[in-house]
Amino acid sequence: GAGVSQSPSNKVTEKGKDVELRCDPISGHTALYWYRQSLGQGLEFLIYFQGNSAPDKSGLPSDRFSAERTGGSVSTLTIQRTQQEDSAVYLCASSSRSYGYTFGSGTRLTVV
Amino acid sequence: QKEVEQDPGPLSVPEGAIVSLNCTYSNSAFQYFMWYRQYSRKGPELLMYTYSSGNKEDGRFTAQVDKSSKYISLFIRDSQPSDSATYLCAMSGSNTGKLIFGQGTTLQVKP
Repeated sequence: GAGVSQSPSNKVTEKGKDVELRCDPISGHTALYWYRQSLGQGLEFLIYFQGNSAPDKSGLPSDRFSAERTGGSVSTLTIQRTQQEDSAVYLCASSSRSYGYTFGSGTRLTVV
Repeated sequence: QKEVEQDPGPLSVPEGAIVSLNCTYSNSAFQYFMWYRQYSRKGPELLMYTYSSGNKEDGRFTAQVDKSSKYISLFIRDSQPSDSATYLCAMSGSNTGKLIFGQGTTLQVKP
């Protein structure tokens, strides 16, 4: 597609449940990033993929968070045993070797 | 202290005003500087991109980078109500490395 696609756009889950968030990057973009944006906050880096490898996962807040990327394309961010503090907008972006990122519209996660 | 500091505002200006948005940073390794605009419930969109120091102009928007002062600015001329959004500065040490974002400044342009 023409842009970065994220699904679902909204997710409400109960505390303690696992959730999976999906990102379809722009075709041909080798770099893929996950960020988290909490209410009134800037973007917090989570993880960076180059191809299927994750050379920088320093931003994952705990071992409940994991991510993978397959075929150099689609990426999934998984949060296990969700907590209320996980409520945020999760943004995915992809980048070519030129410049800048293109962001998706995000997944708004609410843990109740 | 955060690596990138940005006043969250909010900033309210009348239509037609010149808007100045700023960020300071502490990491001298940053070489790539960007400004993103984010409308409510949307992802950020790239507005301006600058490599190293200097100015860059695109229509009503001008980005300035002063690496010696570790200070970047975005100027919006003849501001319009459609410019009302959150503006995020971002920077990186490489062109595909992770970006470090400021907190974002909320701008409202009143008709």
